[in-house]
Amino acid sequence: AQTVTQSQPEMSVQEAETVTLSCTYDTSESDYYLFWYKQPPSRQMILVIRQEAYKQQNATENRFSVNFQKAAKSFSLKISDSQLGDAAMYFCAYRSSNFGNEKLTFGTGTRLTIIP
Amino acid sequence: NAGVTQTPKFRILKIGQSMTLQCAQDMNHNYMYWYRQDPGMGLKLIYYSVGAGITDKGEVPNGYNVSRSTTEDFPLRLELAAPSQTSVYFCASSYRTDSGNTIYFGEGSWLTVV
Repeated sequence: AQTVTQSQPEMSVQEAETVTLSCTYDTSESDYYLFWYKQPPSRQMILVIRQEAYKQQNATENRFSVNFQKAAKSFSLKISDSQLGDAAMYFCAYRSSNFGNEKLTFGTGTRLTIIP
Repeated sequence: NAGVTQTPKFRILKIGQSMTLQCAQDMNHNYMYWYRQDPGMGLKLIYYSVGAGITDKGEVPNGYNVSRSTTEDFPLRLELAAPSQTSVYFCASSYRTDSGNTIYFGEGSWLTVV
């Protein structure tokens, strides 16, 4: 079974600065997908960014980018120019590509606080 | 688009009562999921379905049942509610393609068992 580990329960960053959230995972599969979700106080799950394991290029979405290290099974999220609206819980998630097993496995989350 | 719709949004149950959380999606997704999120924790998979008529257990299925008679609907049934089932429940859906499409979440259902 796959596992996802987020070792930072809480992080804080000064507004306009850059912060990196860590995520590691364990799998024996070679093809899979990785995601970062944001959960604001409303509890809605919002997709931030996704990465296909077969792609070497790191995904980027505006101020959000990832550092995907497949051999190390590491998938960190970098938030540049942090804004107050970025404050939320962030969850890393793994999804298998095997048919019938495409369920998301989540880490325990990192609570990000933005300091004005 | 409505996306993934969950009802009710809030519910208080007494111990031993039963109820059904409804989930519907209008995106013609073949995959649907139910997760629960306990306070300060990540999401744990209860049940999932890869298509109408097919369901399978996730990590924490005990105390729950599901059915998938149509592509659109995936209700979650709680039998004999217990305080340990107090949680926020999320329904989600996705396509199944080789590109691993994004999973879309509903807004959550807050359930308290007293």
